[in-house]
Formats: sequence, C-alpha cells, structure tokens
Amino acid sequence: EAGVAQSPRYKIIEKRQSVAFWCNPISGHATLYWYQQILGQGPKLLIQFQNNGVVDDSQLPKDRFSAERLKGVDSTLKIQPAKLEDSAVYLCASSSSRQSYGYTFGSGTRLTVV
Amino acid sequence: GQQVMQIPQYQHVQEGEDFTTYCNSSTTLSNIQWYKQRPGGHPVFLIQLVKSGEVKKQKRLTFQFGEAKKNSSLHITATQTTDVGTYFCAGRGGGTSYGKLTFGQGTILTVHP
Repeated sequence: EAGVAQSPRYKIIEKRQSVAFWCNPISGHATLYWYQQILGQGPKLLIQFQNNGVVDDSQLPKDRFSAERLKGVDSTLKIQPAKLEDSAVYLCASSSSRQSYGYTFGSGTRLTVV
Repeated sequence: GQQVMQIPQYQHVQEGEDFTTYCNSSTTLSNIQWYKQRPGGHPVFLIQLVKSGEVKKQKRLTFQFGEAKKNSSLHITATQTTDVGTYFCAGRGGGTSYGKLTFGQGTILTVHP
C-alpha cells in the first residue's frame, strides 16, 4: 500500500511569514495526526482528526496554528505568523481503527524559520 | 498531563554488545508502542504491548510491559550496525479508544563496528 504522503519536504521561511503543509494519509485510515518534532526530542501531538472532526487539539497553539481535514481525507496544517521556535519537523501520521496497529508516519516537512 | 520518560538518552555500544532502553510513564497506560527512527528518517512502528507483564520478541528485539502498566523496556541482543537510530516508546493513556499517544524523548543508539 502507498504510504503517508507529505509535502513539501523542506521549507525555509522568515519569521512572521506564513507556511502550509499538506498530508495525504493511507487510503482508508480514518484517523490522522499532526506531530511536531523538535531536534533531539520525541514527536509532540499537535492535532488529531477522526474523519473530518477534531478529536484532540489541546497542544495546538491556536493563535498561530490551524489545521483542517476537509472531506475526511487529506489535511493541511498552517502556521501564521511563524516564529523562530517553530523550526522543527512536522510529521503527519495516520492509523486504522484497529488499535493493534501502530501509526504510519510520513517523511515529514523540515521547517526552518530564520 | 501524562509524561513518558526514557533512559538513557544516548547509548554507544560496540557491535555485538547488548542494548536496553527503559520507558516510564507518570500514569497507568492502556498500551504502549515502540518506534524506531533512523537518522534523517521518520518513526517506524515496531510493536504494541497491551497486557500487564506482556513480553514480545522480534528476532533480536525483546519488548516488555511492566506489571503495573507504567513502564516498558526494549532489549536488543547482539547489536548490529543496522540497529543504529533513535528508539521511542509511546504510551497511550487509559480510557477512550482515541486516547492520545505520548512519545518519550527517545534513546539514541550508536553502534560501533
């Protein structure tokens, strides 16, 4: 099966600019996650979708981050305006409804804010 | 909130030596997952443990889930250079089917040939 697709792979922006990331999960996976991974740390959940509804966005900085999953398939994560501390890898993952299966991660988008 | 701690942060071994990483949660978990992330790569799912005291093996890898379901370990026997990477545990809190996975900070394994 095809994996989780993410784009772009790399992005460099100046602080206060905006940026958007795109994710297409594995076909049939109802649950989609956006994680932020800062260098040297474990992934931190930003938002979790079940189909097109938000299940958990408690750690999403809502003053600057937004995410949507229209039609319950692909998703976009936006940052506006970006700060230096947003430099990280943004990972998208998806999972099936069976809890015995782990998450399948995409290759991520490496964001550098200068 | 739920916290998941891993030790050690780094481990350097000679090829052929064993390796163990430990994971501890501040709260009781419904299950725990382990992932491997190669340098420059993304996390790849290895295994999930659900039952108290569960032990699972994958070739040279042995995974354990503590009796209290608050800790876990991953042991690699006779490491190889292909084992290089960061190993993460991720704990799921008890309760709903959509309980959040909280990742530990990972253990970076370096294997010297």
